[in-house]
Amino acid sequence: QVQLVQSGAEVRKPGASVKVSCKASGYTFTNYHMHWVRQAPGQGLEWMGIIDPSGGSTTFAQKFQGRVTMTRDTSTRTVYMELSSLTSGDTAVYYCARGLYDSSASNWFDPWGQGTLVTVSS
Amino acid sequence: QSVLTQPPSASGTPGQRVTISCSGGSSNIGRKTVNWYQQVPGTAPKVLIFGNYQRPSGVPDRFSGSKSGTSAFLAISGLQSEDEADYYCAAWDDSLNAWVFGGGTKLTVL
Repeated sequence: QVQLVQSGAEVRKPGASVKVSCKASGYTFTNYHMHWVRQAPGQGLEWMGIIDPSGGSTTFAQKFQGRVTMTRDTSTRTVYMELSSLTSGDTAVYYCARGLYDSSASNWFDPWGQGTLVTVSS
Repeated sequence: QSVLTQPPSASGTPGQRVTISCSGGSSNIGRKTVNWYQQVPGTAPKVLIFGNYQRPSGVPDRFSGSKSGTSAFLAISGLQSEDEADYYCAAWDDSLNAWVFGGGTKLTVL
């Protein structure tokens, strides 16, 4: 079955960087884009960006441009999201989610990874 | 503040029908399809409705979606205790070049 498995929880100090991984299985890795979405404690969902595992091209939400990097390793079917210059406001659960589409140009996220808690604290 | 506006809470008794609204604008819901996600606290979101009204396999037909102009709606009929969760609408925004979400609606089954 299609599955996305993310790396474990991380704790970082303000100003540091964090790299979260998302390993895909159960489908052709390069056929579907991967999104990253985060959720601060008690808050809603916030889209961060997307990576095309086939060619590695990326698009980021304006809020994160210059601070986020998304990469992929096709040999291990893994995508990575790295966020730099962390502040307490970046404390959140970070999710990867596969982008699906149909012939009517609808797009949606399915499935989602289990989430990775990143805590930024001095 | 979220780009898409949802009521923060909704409630109903078992068996009732509940509707959750999602209000947007011409750059998102007005021209793009809407998806709905269900999130049980402590777990990852799960797609409930995609393309305004389509249900993935495995989602009960008690859940239905619709769209009118710049608003979308999620209806849940025959409410069950297991439906207690947070519900989020989402759409692509052409002006922001980003996916945008509603702030979420916490559904309580009384």
